[in-house]
Formats: sequence, C-alpha cells, structure tokens
Amino acid sequence: SQQGEEDPQALSIQEGENATMNCSYKTSINNLQWYRQNSGRGLVHLILIRSNEREKHSGRLRVTLDTSKKSSSLLITASRAADTASYFCATDGGANSKLTFGKGITLSVRP
Amino acid sequence: DAGVTQSPTHLIKTRGQHVTLRCSPISGHKSVSWYQQVLGQGPQFIFQYYEKEERGRGNFPDRFSARQFPNYSSELNVNALLLGDSALYLCASSLGSFTGELFFGEGSRLTVL
Repeated sequence: SQQGEEDPQALSIQEGENATMNCSYKTSINNLQWYRQNSGRGLVHLILIRSNEREKHSGRLRVTLDTSKKSSSLLITASRAADTASYFCATDGGANSKLTFGKGITLSVRP
Repeated sequence: DAGVTQSPTHLIKTRGQHVTLRCSPISGHKSVSWYQQVLGQGPQFIFQYYEKEERGRGNFPDRFSARQFPNYSSELNVNALLLGDSALYLCASSLGSFTGELFFGEGSRLTVL
C-alpha cells in the first residue's frame, strides 16, 4: 500500500522557475526522504529529513517537514531541463530498511 | 566505486515460468532490499536482508522469495509468473539495517506474456 501521496501528480514549468512538490503521509515516521527517477530507471536519493527536523537544504533543494500535518514539501529552485524526472517521497516508520513510497510527481521543465 | 548492479536488465518470460534476478550491493553495504515498481506507481517493498537474514517482508505472495549470500549479493526468485508480475524490480543497498539513504540499482525490467 502507498503511504505517501504526492501533489500535484504532474507539474510543468519553464526553465528558471521554482518547482514545489508536496507529500502527505498517514502514520508516524522516523524520517522522510525524496528520490528522483529518470525515465523508469533507478531511483536517486535527493535528501532525507528526520522527524525532529523542520527544514533542510541541499544545493538547489529545500525540504520542509510538518509532522503535525503529516506533510512535507520539496522546493527545487532555478529549475533546469535536466530536472525533468519523476519525484517520489518515501517514509520510514519502522526498524528496518522498508521505505513506503508515494505514487510520484512527474516534473517537466521546458527549456 | 561501483554502484549497485543488477542483472539481467531486461527479460521476457511467459506465464507459469520462474525468474531469478540478481543484485550486487555497493562494497561494504550489508543490507539489500528489493522493490517492485509497476508502471505508473511508486516502488513497493518486497524484502529486506541484512547479514544474510530476512529482516522484513512486504505484502507479496509466497511465490516471491529471496536470499542473501555471504558476499552480501542477493537473488530474488519469482515462481509461477503471472501477467501482473510485469514490473521494474529494483534492488537497493544500504550500510545498516535501519533506514537511511538507499542506493538503488538501475533495475531489472520483467515482462510476462
């Protein structure tokens, strides 16, 4: 079953604009992660935020976490055509390496 | 350093056959997890192995099995294939058994006819 639900399902923006993607989840978590996937290939880890953190930055990425609302957002600033991909949030609530993924957001960045 | 490697990259099987997918983790990583990704969906957890022991199992039928070898590589086996088993099978490795960053391979795309 999918725990996280991303919003919107698809996003199309112009190069240079910012892209904001949202994720909601249902149960308590240890951490929340965002991954990127290009054209049905392997997933690449972008950023991890722990349940006791509220905001984290990595390069052009900014992720926030609101555990009271069970939601997270991923902001990609100054987007590039190479950012075109599917983005997934994944939550960890257990004592093993099981991640529960959402259905993903398809981001298209037009040059 | 080599990343997570999976083989084969693509394969086609017919209903009722069985399939074995292989995964080599990043050197030094002792945990391997398997995920199934159906087209248009997010990955679904199948198994996790750590130090050759099963540490977690997702909601998949007994037709799915896996094992981890002393060198930490892993195999995923699926018996009595169904059309619905068509998917991208992803292997991920990590240092420990608790969830942090997962390093994914490029996947094995299985088509069942």
